[in-house]
Amino acid sequence: NAGVTQTPKFRILKIGQSMTLQCAQDMNHNYMYWYRQDPGMGLKLIYYSVGAGITDKGEVPNGYNVSRSTTEDFPLRLELAAPSQTSVYFCASMVRGGGRDEQFFGPGTRLTVL
Amino acid sequence: AQSVTQLGSHVSVSEGALVLLRCNYSSSVPPYLFWYVQYPNQGLQLLLKYTSAATLVKGINGFEAEFKKSETSFHLTKPSAHMSDAAEYFCAVSEAGGSYIPTFGRGTSLIVHP
Repeated sequence: NAGVTQTPKFRILKIGQSMTLQCAQDMNHNYMYWYRQDPGMGLKLIYYSVGAGITDKGEVPNGYNVSRSTTEDFPLRLELAAPSQTSVYFCASMVRGGGRDEQFFGPGTRLTVL
Repeated sequence: AQSVTQLGSHVSVSEGALVLLRCNYSSSVPPYLFWYVQYPNQGLQLLLKYTSAATLVKGINGFEAEFKKSETSFHLTKPSAHMSDAAEYFCAVSEAGGSYIPTFGRGTSLIVHP
């Protein structure tokens, strides 16, 4: 299994540009999450999904959108990039039940908005 | 509602010394508790977890943690620090059989001196 994969690894955007951060998992997990990580602030939940076709907002959803058309993929869209969106973005998936509930994280996408 | 507090944003130890990283949680229902480790420029990976079985949990790389319900704590320990343990450590809580949105602490950076 490749686990959770994210592309790209790095990206520099200009203010106002748009981009999609890709996330895929091959573990058939229903639950998927997008987080951003800023220094000293831990992980902030942006959006999450409990299955294909179902998404919901997390703690910091403004400026982002998601879709979940398949179990495997959970892309994150930035429509109008702003400097405040400079961060490291992590995608995660989770399987529930049987005393599990542990998350599997991708390697991250480091985004800079100038 | 659930929350996590990690005491100390930075912990510094000498190589060979005891490692103690503190985590206190709040949860209105029986919790699942996790420790994740993040090495520089990588995603988070599971170190160990408590899911209502044994209260003393052993994880990878010689780490262990003890669930103490009376103290609402889940501190992470390792008897002898190694230089390779230098990383960011995150404590997380989720509700057993309840919310599928884990709450993360802000993280503790472990610094290991030779």
